[in-house]
Amino acid sequence: EDQVTQSPEALRLQEGESSSLNCSYTVSGLRGLFWYRQDPGKGPEFLFTLYSAGEEKEKERLKATLTKKESFLHITAPKPEDSATYLCAVQAYGGSQGNLIFGKGTKLSVKP
Amino acid sequence: DADVTQTPRNRITKTGKRIMLECSQTKGHDRMYWYRQDPGLGLRLIYYSFDVKDINKGEISDGYSVSRQAQAKFSLSLESAIPNQTALYFCATSDLGGADTQYFGPGTRLTVL
Repeated sequence: EDQVTQSPEALRLQEGESSSLNCSYTVSGLRGLFWYRQDPGKGPEFLFTLYSAGEEKEKERLKATLTKKESFLHITAPKPEDSATYLCAVQAYGGSQGNLIFGKGTKLSVKP
Repeated sequence: DADVTQTPRNRITKTGKRIMLECSQTKGHDRMYWYRQDPGLGLRLIYYSFDVKDINKGEISDGYSVSRQAQAKFSLSLESAIPNQTALYFCATSDLGGADTQYFGPGTRLTVL
């Protein structure tokens, strides 16, 4: 069964304190791994798509990396406006016709 | 204007009432999705549609139905609402080909009393 597990569930950082969020996945064949940011009461906002192990993508203070079993979202020198819930999702080949399977998210709080 | 819009944004209703949530998109995407989000459970797929003539059940379709009126419009109905359908509902769209990045609407907060 395809699964996505995110850790930690919640993370509190001081402004400027870098850290990483983890997304572990089990899929029969990875078509793509997605990171989203979600603010309270709003829809998920697309951040990155990663397709193969070794791939990295960056956007401002965020950098996403991918291995064969997990993905990391690295946050460098975070600011309070980076506070949000970060969602990871995978898309597998076949079976569910490529629908996304979401993790439960990591709630990030950045204090000034 | 937003690419994916949902109406209403908030709705309070009573048990047994029929409710329709609507989604419209201007992205020109063929694929549309309905999800619900509950605290601690994450996003779960209710229904999805790959084109106007193609409707598929997702993980949690019981108690829901959908209608794809046009490429740009996808509606979700609760035939007889019950309290455990209280949740945040999101519509999403994606394009054909490759890994299908899904783009989400702002959501509808539904409360069933």
